[in-house]
Amino acid sequence: AQTVTQSQPEMSVQEAETVTLSCTYDTSESDYYLFWYKQPPSRQMILVIRQEAYKQQNATENRFSVNFQKAAKSFSLKISDSQLGDAAMYFCAYGASNTGNQFYFGTGTSLTVIP
Amino acid sequence: ETGVTQSPTHLIKTRGQQVTLRCSSQSGHNTVSWYQQALGQGPQFIFQYYREEENGRGNFPPRFSGLQFPNYSSELNVNALELDDSALYLCASSLILATYNEQFFGPGTRLTVL
Repeated sequence: AQTVTQSQPEMSVQEAETVTLSCTYDTSESDYYLFWYKQPPSRQMILVIRQEAYKQQNATENRFSVNFQKAAKSFSLKISDSQLGDAAMYFCAYGASNTGNQFYFGTGTSLTVIP
Repeated sequence: ETGVTQSPTHLIKTRGQQVTLRCSSQSGHNTVSWYQQALGQGPQFIFQYYREEENGRGNFPPRFSGLQFPNYSSELNVNALELDDSALYLCASSLILATYNEQFFGPGTRLTVL
């Protein structure tokens, strides 16, 4: 069964600094997708970044980038130049076409940004 | 482009009652998935609907049921409510034939069972 593990329940970062959130997953599939979602206190889950497993190049979206290590089944999120608006719960998620669009989520990391 | 909407925002029920939650999918999306997010946890997959039929189900009992309508909107019904059903219920829509299966989430319905 697919599992997603986020081992950091809470993280904090100084404004303008860089922080890395960790995620590991377990799967026997070769074709899958990985996502980082942000859930601010207002609750709506927002996609931050996605990575297709078949792509070797790490995804980047402005200040957000990932370190995708397929062999190690690791998918970390790096936030550069942290801003107060980055404070939220961050969830790592796994999806694969053979699981019918079902997403598996980690337990989340609560990120605090210190002014 | 209209995003995913859910109603109601909050709901309070008592144990044993039944509840219906509603979701309108994002424009152009044909698939709706429902998730339960307990306090301090990640979302857990309940089921997914595609073309008005259930297209996958997580580890939830039959008292959790759903519907999808021709306009792709969806309902989640929970019978015989239990205290542990208290959670945030999230709806997500997607286009099932999309290359990367991205799901777009609604704001959720907070259900409290007393």
